[in-house]
Amino acid sequence: QPVLTQSSSASASLGSSVKLTCTLNSGHTSYIIAWHQQQPGKAPRYLMKLEASGSYNRGSGVPDRFSGSSSGADRYLTISNLQSEDEADYYCETWDSNNHVFGSGTKVTVL
Amino acid sequence: EVQLVQSGAEEKKPGDSLRISCKGSGYTFGNYWIAWVRQMPGKGLEWMGIIFPGDSDSDTRYSPSFQGQVTISADKSISTAYLQWSSLKASDTAMYYCARSGGSFPDYWGQGTLVTVSS
Repeated sequence: QPVLTQSSSASASLGSSVKLTCTLNSGHTSYIIAWHQQQPGKAPRYLMKLEASGSYNRGSGVPDRFSGSSSGADRYLTISNLQSEDEADYYCETWDSNNHVFGSGTKVTVL
Repeated sequence: EVQLVQSGAEEKKPGDSLRISCKGSGYTFGNYWIAWVRQMPGKGLEWMGIIFPGDSDSDTRYSPSFQGQVTISADKSISTAYLQWSSLKASDTAMYYCARSGGSFPDYWGQGTLVTVSS
């Protein structure tokens, strides 16, 4: 089954950019993933669906500061012009044979 | 506006039964899947299972980790999905989220229901 690997934390200054990585395991490198944001104490929020080609579709109301890209087994989420409200946990997700899996999440700190 | 509104926090004892709910509005409930996701304290997201309320038999699929541990159901007539336990354990203490899915990924999430199981 697919496995998603995320780094545990990332940080960047207010107004700068940060790029998060989600890596698919061998045999699953062509999979489509989704990115979700979870602000402290809140429910997750769907950000986007991201294909192996790098094509992505943002969810309703998601600012265009959030973008996606891909390279091989890696799926990226870039947050530009970082705002204080972007401080959150970010999870990637994929699915196979009707079972979904999440990455362990990356905690983003805005300096 | 799409909304998923979950039932309130629950405090239960080990061995108790429980059913929590998730009511959808702002869209045609029977045309979308409803997923359930667990988040234990301080931990990440875990997929529990999913149901399609539009079928006469409500197609339901469980993650292997949760098969036999919980039951997912839905009542299309009142746009509500349910997650239930027949005998709670302390390890079931967690936040539980429902989420709408068009067939691939959840695109709208409920606000969460905190379940606390303690003697």
